Amino acid sequence: AQSVTQLGSHVSVSEGALVLLRCNYSSSVPPYLFWYVQYPNQGLQLLLKYTSAATLVKGINGFEAEFKKSETSFHLTKPSAHMSDAAEYFCAVSEGTNAGKSTFGDGTTLTVKP
Amino acid sequence: EAGVVQSPRYKIIEKKQPVAFWCNPISGHNTLYWYRQNLGQGPELLIRYENEEAVDDSQLPKDRFSAERLKGVDSTLKIQPAELGDSAVYLCASSLGAGEGYGYTFGSGTRLTVV
Repeated sequence: AQSVTQLGSHVSVSEGALVLLRCNYSSSVPPYLFWYVQYPNQGLQLLLKYTSAATLVKGINGFEAEFKKSETSFHLTKPSAHMSDAAEYFCAVSEGTNAGKSTFGDGTTLTVKP
Repeated sequence: EAGVVQSPRYKIIEKKQPVAFWCNPISGHNTLYWYRQNLGQGPELLIRYENEEAVDDSQLPKDRFSAERLKGVDSTLKIQPAELGDSAVYLCASSLGAGEGYGYTFGSGTRLTVV
């Protein structure tokens, strides 16, 4: 069965500082991995996805994530935080045998301090 | 291009009353999902459709929840009767297909409050 663990339900950074949001997954087969962002009172928006091509994936708004099979991780990073990055971030996994079903983590709320 | 459209955005009902949510996916997206998001948690799959066929409804509480996707386009999710524990945000999403790691496009959700 697939599952996702997001370490840290709240992360706070200063504007201009590095953003690091952690995600570890469990999957019995090579996974597809996703990061989504959710702004208040809105649906989730796809930031980036890993689908077994390059292990370093670049997404929108300057975010990127690196797939590390040995660590079963897919951490999300951004070199310099902006106030507009404040939101909730969700990591999700789906398996090749059931690629239509994504399992989501519980989310990490990112706060950006001026 | 219009995104995934959901209505209503908010709904407050008394327990034991029925409620329905509507979703219009992105044109051409064959796969449609209904997820439920409880406060402070990630979305959890209720049901997945491939065109008009429900291919995964294992997490749908069938004693009170029902869904349909007539003609493989719009979808409706119904709860009857609603319970206090059903208070949550109900998200509809669509994707081009179920394979190849397609990401989802989500609607803005319907926030249900059962009092």
